[in-house]
Parts: sequence; C-alpha cells; structure tokens
Amino acid sequence: GDSVTQMEGPVTLSEEAFLTINCTYTATGYPSLFWYVQYPGEGLQLLLKATKADDKGSNKGFEATYRKETTSFHLEKGSVQVSDSAVYFCALGDSGNTPLVFGKGTRLSVIA
Amino acid sequence: EAGVAQSPRYKIIEKRQSVAFWCNPISGHATLYWYQQILGQGPKLLIQFQNNGVVDDSQLPKDRFSAERLKGVDSTLKIQPAKLEDSAVYLCASSLKGGRTEAFFGQGTRLTVV
Repeated sequence: GDSVTQMEGPVTLSEEAFLTINCTYTATGYPSLFWYVQYPGEGLQLLLKATKADDKGSNKGFEATYRKETTSFHLEKGSVQVSDSAVYFCALGDSGNTPLVFGKGTRLSVIA
Repeated sequence: EAGVAQSPRYKIIEKRQSVAFWCNPISGHATLYWYQQILGQGPKLLIQFQNNGVVDDSQLPKDRFSAERLKGVDSTLKIQPAKLEDSAVYLCASSLKGGRTEAFFGQGTRLTVV
C-alpha cells in the first residue's frame, strides 16, 4: 500500500539557518503530495502541495519539489524563524477515493 | 470561508465511560475523515466518509468506536466504552472529493481517559 517516510526529529536549528526535512513516498498511482504543519494545540494546516512530477509547491518561504524519479518531496526553507517551530507532516493523496496517508512527523525547534 | 468545526476541544472521562465528538465540515465537501493522533505520532485514519457512505473503516475498532455522517454533512464519532489507550487527539478533516485533493482539518478534540 501507499506509505510516506520522513526524517525523524527532533530538528533543532538556530534562527536564519537553512532547513531541509526529507520525505520519500511509495504509491501505487499518481499521487498528490502535501506538507502540513501543526502548531502546539492546533490541528493540521496545509502548508503547500504539488500535484504532478516536477511541480514546486511554495508558501511562507517554504518550498518542496515533486521528484518522481527519486519518489521524494523534501521540504526546504532558506532562513527559519522562531515562529516556524512546529511539527511538519509529509502526506500523499493517491488516485481514486483513498484517504490521505501521513508520515510520522518531524518536530522542528528554532532557537533565537 | 468557514473552516472545519469540531467540539468539544477537550474532554476528560474515566475508563469505561462513553464519549462523543462532533464535526461540521466545510460546506460542499463530500469527503469527511476522522483521524486519531496519539502524542508524538502522525494521524491515523479511523474512518472515511464519501457523502453519507463509508469508504474506509478498516482501522476503526468497531467493538468500541462508531461513527455516522448525517445527511452527508455533520458527523459524530463515539467511543463506548473508553479505554486508557484511547487518550489522543481526534481530528476531523474534510476534502472536496478525497483522493488527490487536499484535506482541511479542524482544531481537534483532545481526549484524556483516566
């Protein structure tokens, strides 16, 4: 079945550092890929998405490129802020009426 | 546009008691999901509805959990009787049509079973 594997955390960075959170996937169809962010005590918020190979999703300085050849969708940000501290989830939605499948999440802590 | 509404936000119950959660999805969204999120883990699907029909409930512990979606809109998730291991955040999400389309989440209900 479909699955998502993302790097384990926690990740601790200093403010203005470069961020990469790795995500790879396995899918039977042609999935859409998503990154969600969860702030403490909140539900999941959609951060960005990509629906086909070579698409780049971007939002709030974050970006991720759908790489079909490496089945990856790594999240990057050039300069993180303390306010980016949260848990980040990679997810995929496959063809048909299948539910979203999530990775286990990566906790990011940014220190001033 | 109003988001996904869930209530209550927090609930504390004793084991063997029953509890119910309510979800109102985004208007016009045909697909509704209930996920269970245990502390430190990713969301785990409990049940998926398409309109008022069940698409996937393979991971729903049917001996104690039940869910319904009335008239293809609001949904309730019930646990009876609760166990200690049911302590988690219960997330409701909705999507225009499921599959490859994104889902939008409510704030969740944090359940503590003591």
